[in-house]
Amino acid sequence: KNQVEQSPQSLIILEGKNCTLQCNYTVSPFSNLRWYKQDTGRGPVSLTIMTFSENTKSNGRYTATLDADTKQSSLHITASQLSDSASYICVVIPLYNQGGKLIFGQGTELSVKP
Amino acid sequence: ETGVTQTPRHLVMGMTNKKSLKCEQHLGHNAMYWYKQSAKKPLELMFVYSLEERVENNSVPSRFSPECPNSSHLFLHLHTLQPEDSALYLCASRRQGTDTQYFGPGTRLTVL
Repeated sequence: KNQVEQSPQSLIILEGKNCTLQCNYTVSPFSNLRWYKQDTGRGPVSLTIMTFSENTKSNGRYTATLDADTKQSSLHITASQLSDSASYICVVIPLYNQGGKLIFGQGTELSVKP
Repeated sequence: ETGVTQTPRHLVMGMTNKKSLKCEQHLGHNAMYWYKQSAKKPLELMFVYSLEERVENNSVPSRFSPECPNSSHLFLHLHTLQPEDSALYLCASRRQGTDTQYFGPGTRLTVL
């Protein structure tokens, strides 16, 4: 079982609607949790970074939340746009991190339709 | 753009071919990474180079051979690959002392 599990695996929404992506992790202790956006044919790009003591972090229409007690994070996208169509990857960085290792989720494929 | 470039962007090769993937970073970073990304699976770490020395080889078959001639360049030499090696190969770089990795656009590899 992967240490970082994301749901749903894929999601289709209409333009302008909101959506929430989920991430459950078992990595402990951890330094920070990140959400990455990966457009088709591109590498992942960091959207939000939260340390273990933060509960929420926003980046424009993207808001990430973190509950360290339940080991859950979510990424909420408000007023979706066609350009939000991408894969969203939850990444956890262990606290004792040799060589800068990242623990990746498998991603949620989001498709925003007009 | 993230400051990390990869070439080629697409590669189709037969199982008996030898090819190389190239990664270059213009960020002054001193750690570089190769990842394999297969459909619906998490990114798999393949190799880590820190200060031009390989510090991790994550049980990768010997048909993949990395090379890091300097802190700005990273290569992945491919030889006698299998069809299951078809995937997106991502390069990333990082400045030691920070957590953020910057990814290149990847090379989409197809092995026939």
